Amino acid sequence: AQTVTQSQPEMSVQEAETVTLSCTYDTSESDYYLFWYKQPPSRQMILVIRQEAYKQQNATENRFSVNFQKAAKSFSLKISDSQLGDAAMYFCAYRPYYNNDMRFGAGTRLTVKP
Amino acid sequence: DVKVTQSSRYLVKRTGEKVFLECVQDMDHENMFWYRQDPGLGLRLIYFSYDVKMKEKGDIPEGYSVSREKKERFSLILESASTNQTSMYLCASSLVVGGLAGGFSYEQYFGPGTRLTVT
Repeated sequence: AQTVTQSQPEMSVQEAETVTLSCTYDTSESDYYLFWYKQPPSRQMILVIRQEAYKQQNATENRFSVNFQKAAKSFSLKISDSQLGDAAMYFCAYRPYYNNDMRFGAGTRLTVKP
Repeated sequence: DVKVTQSSRYLVKRTGEKVFLECVQDMDHENMFWYRQDPGLGLRLIYFSYDVKMKEKGDIPEGYSVSREKKERFSLILESASTNQTSMYLCASSLVVGGLAGGFSYEQYFGPGTRLTVT
């Protein structure tokens, strides 16, 4: 079974600084999707960014970017120019290309200090 | 915008009660999911449905059942609630791309969650 590991239960960053959240996964598949989801306090979980494994280029969405290392099975999220609204739980998730078996990591709680 | 709603944000039930958690999505998504979220464990899939009246067990189906009589509505049922079912329950839906039941899909859209306490 595929597993997703987020080794940082908590992280903190100063406002306007950059922070990187780590994620590793284990799979024998060659085609899959990777996701970062954000869950603000008492609010709905939303998608931050998605990466298709067959794409070599790292995905970017405004201040959010990923470092996808397929051989190392690593998928880290970089948040640049951190804002107070970035404070949330962040979940890394993996899904094989051909089915809906989404696997989530345990989450990283990000605190943003003013 | 996709909207996924859940019937309650907070629920308190007694041990042995039958509990219904309702989820509704308004974007005609084929797939719907029920997850349980616990600290340090992330999200774990309870059940998944890819069509009306169709369901598949996830990782932790014991003690739960589901019902999908209409495409937009997916219910989670705790037949006899127990204290170890105290948790946050998240519903999600997703579009199927490719026309295959249970096939390709993109991201899942989540509801706000129901925090269930069983005493």
